[in-house]
Amino acid sequence: DAKTTQPNSMESNEEEPVHLPCNHSTISGTDYIHWYRQLPSQGPEYVIHGLTSNVNNRMASLAIAEDRKSSTLILHRATLRDAAVYYCILRNQAGTALIFGKGTTLSVSS
Amino acid sequence: DAGVIQSPRHEVTEMGQEVTLRCKPISGHDYLFWYRQTMMRGLELLIYFNNNVPIDDSGMPEDRFSAKMPNASFSTLKIQPSEPRDSAVYFCASSFPTGNTEAFFGQGTRLTVV
Repeated sequence: DAKTTQPNSMESNEEEPVHLPCNHSTISGTDYIHWYRQLPSQGPEYVIHGLTSNVNNRMASLAIAEDRKSSTLILHRATLRDAAVYYCILRNQAGTALIFGKGTTLSVSS
Repeated sequence: DAGVIQSPRHEVTEMGQEVTLRCKPISGHDYLFWYRQTMMRGLELLIYFNNNVPIDDSGMPEDRFSAKMPNASFSTLKIQPSEPRDSAVYFCASSFPTGNTEAFFGQGTRLTVV
């Protein structure tokens, strides 16, 4: 499985935008880029995913580099409730299992 | 749909006892995944099923662990005999069989083996 690299931790202030980077230099042409987050004492929850084009939903935006070797999850206005571990995961076209790395622990300060 | 439902939410058992964790996936999802999470090892995939058939069990730590999916709406993860090092949070997840869709996770079962 292609792997991803994320910073261990990031900090943000409330109401400010947050850009969470992810490198996936060995991504294959049919791998989807998925982001999940895990709030304290909860199961992982889906945030967003994309293949080639940038994606927006109510939670976040996903910016994908033209060569698809990196991507950035964008939280437009961080809130205290966004403090979580964010995982960037590649999922193949067949949708087989999500393999989690260590993710990025996001801290949000008021 | 109520989402992926796991039971029990918490389980405390004595070393050597059998433990059974249960999962009800979202209706219509073909894939079912079992994960284990610890501070030391993070989220590890244990096994996953496609249409009730185990596809990859390479993450199952040892023969003490077994998983079954007798039908599309129910799966179990059994540990027999349990050991203190099995203490962890166990998550079940389900999804459609395509990378262009999300996986849904249950709330997890926190297992403590004393």
